[in-house]
Amino acid sequence: GEDVEQSLFLSVREGDSSVINCTYTDSSSTYLYWYKQEPGAGLQLLTYIFSNMDMKQDQRLTVLLNKKDKHLSLRIADTQTGDSAIYFCAEISYNTDKLIFGTGTRLQVFP
Amino acid sequence: GAVVSQHPSRVICKSGTSVKIECRSLDFQATTMFWYRQFPKKSLMLMATSNEGSKATYEQGVEKDKFLINHASLTLSTLTVTSAHPEDSSFYICSAGDRDGYTFGSGTRLTVV
Repeated sequence: GEDVEQSLFLSVREGDSSVINCTYTDSSSTYLYWYKQEPGAGLQLLTYIFSNMDMKQDQRLTVLLNKKDKHLSLRIADTQTGDSAIYFCAEISYNTDKLIFGTGTRLQVFP
Repeated sequence: GAVVSQHPSRVICKSGTSVKIECRSLDFQATTMFWYRQFPKKSLMLMATSNEGSKATYEQGVEKDKFLINHASLTLSTLTVTSAHPEDSSFYICSAGDRDGYTFGSGTRLTVV
């Protein structure tokens, strides 16, 4: 079945870049997403990428997709304390049309 | 943009009682809505797919009789946790949308005491 994995924690200094990684197993993934969850809150869609793209940039966010290795990453430039949150990657399987989430990466930004 | 409203945001109930959580699409019609549960320090797990006018589709391992889902209109889906127990305490989130983007409700923190 589909499986999406992420590292659990990432700690960065304010102003540095953050890179959050995600691996998935479903080769039929069509869309891949990055969501942000702040403490006690719901999910906010940050960005998404189609499976036929390699890169997508949106202001401070850069998404890289290596379809061969089934690896997705989210780079946050000039990370701020307000970026501290849990970041989930998710993918939609062409076969099942279900949104499958990764385990989430807790990003902590320190001064 | 699309907005999904979820209510209540927090609820505390006694063991053995039932709790209803509502999920509304405010500015669009949703023939399909999804219910997720988030366990502590774990990811979001899809519980069921709510289909307007028909029975919900439950994921493997989710008790249909405990988690009742009703999708009576194109803008409202409800999740009722019946005979709640402390192990049902969790964060429940609904969503609606399609491949172009899913919108999530703000979630409901359920605490069963």
